[in-house]
Amino acid sequence: EVQLVESGGTLVQPGGSLRLSCEASGFTFSDHYMDWVRQAPGKGLEWVGRIRKKVNSYTTEYAASVKGRFTVSRDDSKNSLYLQMNSLKTGDTAVYYCARGGSYLPFAIWGQGTMVTVSS
Amino acid sequence: DFQMTQSPSTLSASIGDRVTITCRASQSIGSRLAWYQQRPGKAPKLLIYEASSLESGVPSRFSGSGSGTEFTLTISSLQPDDFATYYCQQYQDYPITFGQGTRLEIK
Repeated sequence: EVQLVESGGTLVQPGGSLRLSCEASGFTFSDHYMDWVRQAPGKGLEWVGRIRKKVNSYTTEYAASVKGRFTVSRDDSKNSLYLQMNSLKTGDTAVYYCARGGSYLPFAIWGQGTMVTVSS
Repeated sequence: DFQMTQSPSTLSASIGDRVTITCRASQSIGSRLAWYQQRPGKAPKLLIYEASSLESGVPSRFSGSGSGTEFTLTISSLQPDDFATYYCQQYQDYPITFGQGTRLEIK
């Protein structure tokens, strides 16, 4: 079964850091671009960032709202995707989803999401 | 950035109705448009990609059309499972952007 499972979401104070993980199974993880998408409570979907695959030198793209604070990385040997979040703000409170993307491809596979709450 | 604008924001309809949701892009995105369905507390589910291609396993009552800047998602005969929120998404360029969502509710 093709599956993505996120973990690492928790309550964190403003200014703090957190790393989310996403473990893939059921497909060849290293063959795909991977993305992070978030959804604030009661709001719509916001793309956060992307990491390409090895043949594309693992290059990344970010939304302006997180650029310089968030870093997307991956470990193909562990079939895992990561989101390092630094300098967290209350506005970063959201459910964070990992998704399988691609060059000019939609997000066909999504994880179940992990909740990040930034609050004092 | 490519702004995506959906209309309406909320749509009330009955079982068996035919409904259409519109998505407009601020610039041409060719056919790089997807539609997603999201039920409360669940992850989004891909319905349509490349504006009009039906994702495997998605019922044929869902269809998409359009190109350039104007796109539509049509549900031909509403079923109980269809009451959810629908999002369009452009993947032509970065940043990847979503519409604000259309909530489909039971009349």
